[in-house]
Amino acid sequence: EDKVVQSPLSLVVHEGDTVTLNCSYEVTNFRSLLWYKQEKKAPTFLFMLTSSGIEKKSGRLSSILDKKELFSILNITATQTGDSAVYLCAVEETSYDKVIFGPGTSLSVIP
Amino acid sequence: DSGVTQTPKHLITATGQRVTLRCSPRSGDLSVYWYQQSLDQGLQFLIQYYNGEERAKGNILERFSAQQFPDLHSELNLSSLELGDSALYFCASSARAFSSYNEQFFGPGTRLTVL
Repeated sequence: EDKVVQSPLSLVVHEGDTVTLNCSYEVTNFRSLLWYKQEKKAPTFLFMLTSSGIEKKSGRLSSILDKKELFSILNITATQTGDSAVYLCAVEETSYDKVIFGPGTSLSVIP
Repeated sequence: DSGVTQTPKHLITATGQRVTLRCSPRSGDLSVYWYQQSLDQGLQFLIQYYNGEERAKGNILERFSAQQFPDLHSELNLSSLELGDSALYFCASSARAFSSYNEQFFGPGTRLTVL
């Protein structure tokens, strides 16, 4: 059965800390891996990763995919209180064009 | 604001009833996706439509159905509602059929409460 696992499920850090969020997956026919940020509303897109080893960056956020080991990490450096959110990892598979979401990592950044 | 609109914002109904959730995609987007998010299940992909045709199916129950109309808005119909159907239902849209080639933009969601 296709599945996406995220760890940790919850994380509390101080402002300025660097965090690493993990996403591992088991999908029959992988197409891409997506990261979303969800505050108290709809998820917003962060990154889409399709190739191993190529880091994607957006400001203090970066992500990389390892298709051999079937995982991705999302790094956030110099965290701010505005980074507090649930970070969702999702994997697209090609067989049925499904998108499978992980349970999310709840990040709380305290001043 | 993503440009995706969903109505209603909140819906409270009783078990056994039927409801319709409505979604209008961003202007120009042809794909519409429906998701269910509950506390115990996380975000679950339900179904995708592209230009009026069903494109992909996820964990959608037989009691649920959806369609996309010629003007590209979509409706998700939930019938014989059960307590466990209480959740936040998101609609997302993207420009093309395969979301790998373009990101999905999520609407604000409809919160359904079944009493």
